[in-house]
Amino acid sequence: AIQMTQSPSSLSVSVGDSVTITCRASQGIRDDLAWYQQKPGKAPKLLIYSASNLQNGVPSRFGGSGSGTDFTLTISSLQPEDLATYYCLQENSHPYTFGQGTKLEIK
Amino acid sequence: QVLLVESGGGVVQPGGSLGLSCAASGFTFSRYAMHWVRQAPGKGLEYMAVISFDERQKYYSDSVKGRFTISRDNSKDTLYLQMNNLGVEDTAIYYCARDRVQGGVGEIDHWGQGTLVTVSS
Repeated sequence: AIQMTQSPSSLSVSVGDSVTITCRASQGIRDDLAWYQQKPGKAPKLLIYSASNLQNGVPSRFGGSGSGTDFTLTISSLQPEDLATYYCLQENSHPYTFGQGTKLEIK
Repeated sequence: QVLLVESGGGVVQPGGSLGLSCAASGFTFSRYAMHWVRQAPGKGLEYMAVISFDERQKYYSDSVKGRFTISRDNSKDTLYLQMNNLGVEDTAIYYCARDRVQGGVGEIDHWGQGTLVTVSS
């Protein structure tokens, strides 16, 4: 199975900060990568699909980039409601695999 | 709107079996691939299985292959997960989820609220 290495595992941030989270695939996955946000006690929410496409209804401060093995989720001007855990998911080959998650915490 | 409601969770002894269901509504169920994802308490997301819209394709993670079976009944708009030979490591919230695009197998865009499975003696 393809391994997804996500970093950092946690990040202390302040409202207004710009945040970058990365995912690295153990082999090339083209742009077959999605990003999810999960708040405590809730189901995950799709933010980005195909590495860089913003899901309907997701604020434009969220952005994704990358192709092949290296991918980035960027949150510009972090808002209080963005405090959550973020996961990448590769959907290039089965079985799909998630990154380990990045938890954003208040500094 | 898309609604996915899981049921069937509960407490089961190690070595036991349990069947989960996911009732779908708000979309044409028979046109979408469906997924199961789980999350152990305090841990990250773990991908379990997917079934194509027409049941022709089924894929499993290595951790459940041979023990879990994904299936669907398009006449009932329902997804299933049969879990056998359960171990304590299978304790988790199990999420049913829908594929984003009709007719294909890709990323997940809608999730249920999950059902808790606890494996304990």
